[in-house]
Amino acid sequence: AQTVTQSQPEMSVQEAETVTLSCTYDTSENNYYLFWYKQPPSRQMILVIRQEAYKQQNATENRFSVNFQKAAKSFSLKISDSQLGDTAMYFCAFTPDQGGSEKLVFGKGMKLTVNP
Amino acid sequence: NAGVMQNPRHLVRRRGQEARLRCSPMKGHSHVYWYRQLPEEGLKFMVYLQKENIIDESGMPKERFSAEFPKEGPSILRIQQVVRGDSAAYFCASSPFRDPATNEKLFFGSGTQLSVL
Repeated sequence: AQTVTQSQPEMSVQEAETVTLSCTYDTSENNYYLFWYKQPPSRQMILVIRQEAYKQQNATENRFSVNFQKAAKSFSLKISDSQLGDTAMYFCAFTPDQGGSEKLVFGKGMKLTVNP
Repeated sequence: NAGVMQNPRHLVRRRGQEARLRCSPMKGHSHVYWYRQLPEEGLKFMVYLQKENIIDESGMPKERFSAEFPKEGPSILRIQQVVRGDSAAYFCASSPFRDPATNEKLFFGSGTQLSVL
């Protein structure tokens, strides 16, 4: 079975600081995709960043970057220069690289609060 | 281009009633997905539909739940004889083609919060 684990239920950070959100997963697949989604109070799920497992280079999107450790099955998200608008639930998710990538497997999420 | 539209945003039902949740995909999207988010949990896949067809309903409870995506109109997730355990946020997502996540073309709505009294 494929599982995604986010062990930290809640974190807080001061504005402009850097914070790292952890995620581990379990799969027997060799090729797959990993994602971080943001869910603000509006409840809409917003894609933050995506990583393809066969790419060794860590994905980056502006202030967001990941540390992908395939052997350790770890996929952490680093948010640099945190902003108040980053306050949200963050979900790590996984999908295999086969037909059926609509069946994302999500972790339980982590609540991030950015304090002024 | 409007995003994925879900309504109602909040729905309150008493035990035994029926709940109908609507999802209008983004313009040009013919693939719709429903997910359920129980309290303190991540989203869990329920069903994948294309126009007039159910492609994968492996995450859908066998009883009381059904989904459709007609040729015209929104996709509907229907829950009959609701129970308290059905209380959750139900999310719809849409894409223009299959394997959307691998191509970053999967877009979510803001969900319908169902509360069963």
